[in-house]
Amino acid sequence: DQQVKQNSPSLSVQEGRISILNCDYTNSMFDYFLWYKKYPAEGPTFLISISSIKDKNEDGRFTVFLNKSAKHLSLHIVPSQPGDSAVYFCAASGGNDYKLSFGAGTTVTVRA
Amino acid sequence: DAGVTQSPTHLIKTRGQQVTLRCSPKSGHDTVSWYQQALGQGPQFIFQYYEEEERQRGNFPDRFSGHQFPNYSSELNVNALLLGDSALYLCASAGRGRTDTQYFGPGTRLTVL
Repeated sequence: DQQVKQNSPSLSVQEGRISILNCDYTNSMFDYFLWYKKYPAEGPTFLISISSIKDKNEDGRFTVFLNKSAKHLSLHIVPSQPGDSAVYFCAASGGNDYKLSFGAGTTVTVRA
Repeated sequence: DAGVTQSPTHLIKTRGQQVTLRCSPKSGHDTVSWYQQALGQGPQFIFQYYEEEERQRGNFPDRFSGHQFPNYSSELNVNALLLGDSALYLCASAGRGRTDTQYFGPGTRLTVL
């Protein structure tokens, strides 16, 4: 049962423009959300997180928005850079869970 | 400050064999989790160790077992390997809190022939 879904397998964006990645979840117990970035042959790298008590968290070029009523979160990358080309994973945890539940990932390609 | 390290980087085994993967957590972390990532999918939680005990387990068979040592490093053991066990195995370390960020190692690529 996939509790975290990233419905867009891929995204292509021009350098300097905004990248918007989306993530939906079904488990209403989730209260902590993270985004990870992964290059080939490397492990996922933590990007940014948000707690359910907030609806926005910003760190440099990365902003995560949380819409609890819609069970939806998004990651905005502004401006997009060639080094941002990678696979991005959305992850969540909640309740008594120490585990992270991951989406299937979105591959971002930043075009020059 | 060393991050999460894993060994070996790559491993090739045949069906029915057993394998042991190793992980050293990031400095200051005392919790280690293991994940399996199949091609084209997100990481799937196998189990988490804290204070040398398995604190939580995902939906994996008993062929998957682990251990955490007093220095917080950890091992993942898989017995009776199946072709379907071929995957990237990721170790993540964190502080003891539920919302402490998990930091991942580079992974071990296991191929079962």
